[in-house]
Parts: sequence; structure tokens; C-alpha cells
Amino acid sequence: KNQVEQSPQSLIILEGKNCTLQCNYTVSPFSNLRWYKQDTGRGPVSLTIMTFSENTKSNGRYTATLDADTKQSSLHITASQLSDSASYICVVSPHASGGSYIPTFGRGTSLIVHP
Amino acid sequence: DTGVSQDPRHKITKRGQNVTFRCDPISEHNRLYWYRQTLGQGPEFLTYFQNEAQLEKSRLLSDRFSAERPKGSFSTLEIQRTEQGDSAMYLCASASGGARETQYFGPGTRLLVL
Repeated sequence: KNQVEQSPQSLIILEGKNCTLQCNYTVSPFSNLRWYKQDTGRGPVSLTIMTFSENTKSNGRYTATLDADTKQSSLHITASQLSDSASYICVVSPHASGGSYIPTFGRGTSLIVHP
Repeated sequence: DTGVSQDPRHKITKRGQNVTFRCDPISEHNRLYWYRQTLGQGPEFLTYFQNEAQLEKSRLLSDRFSAERPKGSFSTLEIQRTEQGDSAMYLCASASGGARETQYFGPGTRLLVL
């Protein structure tokens, strides 16, 4: 069964500090992994996308890594800001050769940045 | 605004009533997805369309749920005989396909069944 596990479930940090969120997956065959940011009451917004051959991708203060061998990914947030407070969701999509396009979503990590 | 739009943004209904939600995807996107999200959880896949064809449906999509995309553009999700357990955020996303497909999400419709 395809699964995506995220940790920690929630995280509280002080403004300006760095943090790292983790994602482990069992989706196979693998196509791509994306990190989304979801503000409360809003739809998710894509931050990064990585395919099998990519092991790091940056988007401003967000840097995602991917280890396709261990099936792990991380999202590192540098110099956190109050506006980073949100849920961060890891999403893994299967390759179409497996017969499905349906992505598997993690439950998300809820990040709170305090002033 | 050329993003994904959903209507209504909020819906309160009584148990047993029918409700219908609409999603307008990004115009050039041929794939459209419906998800349901409850508090503290990630989105759960419900169904997806490629153009007007409904290609996959989750087992979560009971016979009370039906979705259509009649002309391959906008889509509707109808819930018949709503139950309190249907209370959730219903998200629509569209995508253009490919190995690096990114789904663009709408703002969601929040449903509360009393």
C-alpha cells in the first residue's frame, strides 16, 4: 500500500530560527515528490517538485532534499518568518506505468513560528 | 484571476439535503482532481478526470457522491442525502499532466452538515 509519513506532526519555533521537516514514503513506482504549503482555510500551494534524478531543490528560503534510495525527503526552512506558520504537506506521485496517476498525501506537519 | 476557483466557498446544510459544488480549473489543464480534507489531515483523493473522462474513483466515493466534467472544463461534485460525516473541506485541483505534474489547488469549499 502506498504511504507517506511525515514528522514531526507539529513544530513550534522562534522567528528567525531554521527547521527541518521529514517525509518517508513507500510509493512505487516513483514519479515525483512535492512539498506543499497550506495556510489555514486555504488550498495547498506547491513549494518544490523533485523527480527521481534530483536530490535537492530550492525555492527561496525553502530547500527540499530527496534520497530515492532510502525513500526519504526533507524540507528545510531557513530564517523562519511569521508567515511560514502553516501546514507543510509531502505528496508523492506514482509513475503512470504502475497504472495510476493518483498521488499519496502525507498528513502534514503543522508549523507555528512565534515572534 | 487565472487560478483554480471553487464555488461556493462555504456551505451549511441540514442532514439529508443534497449539495453541489463547482470547480473551474485553469483553462489549459486537462486533468482535474477532487479531494476531501478533514481537520488535521492531509487531502484524501476522491476522483479524477482527464478531459471529460472520469478515470479513477476512490472507495471513499460512496454511491451518494457523484462527479461530472461534462465538457472537459468545469466540474461539479454532488453529495446526495448528506450526513454529518460529510463535513469537511472539499478541494479541487487541476494539472496539465506529465512526469513533473504540479497540481494547482483551488481555495476549497468548506461543508458543514448539521
